[in-house]
Amino acid sequence: AQSVTQLGSHVSVSEGALVLLRCNYSSSVPPYLFWYVQYPNQGLQLLLKYTTGATLVKGINGFEAEFKKSETSFHLTKPSAHMSDAAEYFCAVCYSGGSNYKLTFGKGTLLTVNP
Amino acid sequence: ETGVTQSPTHLIKTRGQQVTLRCSSQSGHNTVSWYQQALGQGPQFIFQYYREEENGRGNFPPRFSGLQFPNYSSELNVNALELDDSALYLCASSKRTSGSTDTQYFGPGTRLTVL
Repeated sequence: AQSVTQLGSHVSVSEGALVLLRCNYSSSVPPYLFWYVQYPNQGLQLLLKYTTGATLVKGINGFEAEFKKSETSFHLTKPSAHMSDAAEYFCAVCYSGGSNYKLTFGKGTLLTVNP
Repeated sequence: ETGVTQSPTHLIKTRGQQVTLRCSSQSGHNTVSWYQQALGQGPQFIFQYYREEENGRGNFPPRFSGLQFPNYSSELNVNALELDDSALYLCASSKRTSGSTDTQYFGPGTRLTVL
């Protein structure tokens, strides 16, 4: 079975500081990995995804994530936080060989950006 | 290009009632997945529809059922509502083609409250 663990349910940073949101996954087969962002009272917006190939993935709004197979991790980073980055972030995994590509999500990390 | 839309936005029902939620998929997408997001949790996979048939189901009882129509829109039906069914219900559409990854794009969700 696949699972996702997001370390830290709440991360607080100052504007301009580095953002690091942690995600570890468990999967018995090569995973596809995703980061989604959810603003209050809205649905999920795709930030970035890893399927195959280059392990450093760049997404929207200056975010990037690196797939590290040896550490089973897919941490999300952004060099300089903006106030507009305040939201909840979800890491998700699906089986690369699955027939329905169902997403398994972590519990989310709420990012607060302080002025 | 029209994104994923869901209706209604909010809904209040009483225990034991039945509810139908609707989703219109993004243009060009042929697959619809439904997720339940309880307060403070990550989304959980309910089921997925492809070619008007259920194609994978999560750990949800049979009182959760769905339909997909020839235009790829979808409905989620929940019978005999329980208090724990109160949640944000998210619809996600994707395009399935042979050998490709089905990145899922989410709608804004329907907030269901069961009293």
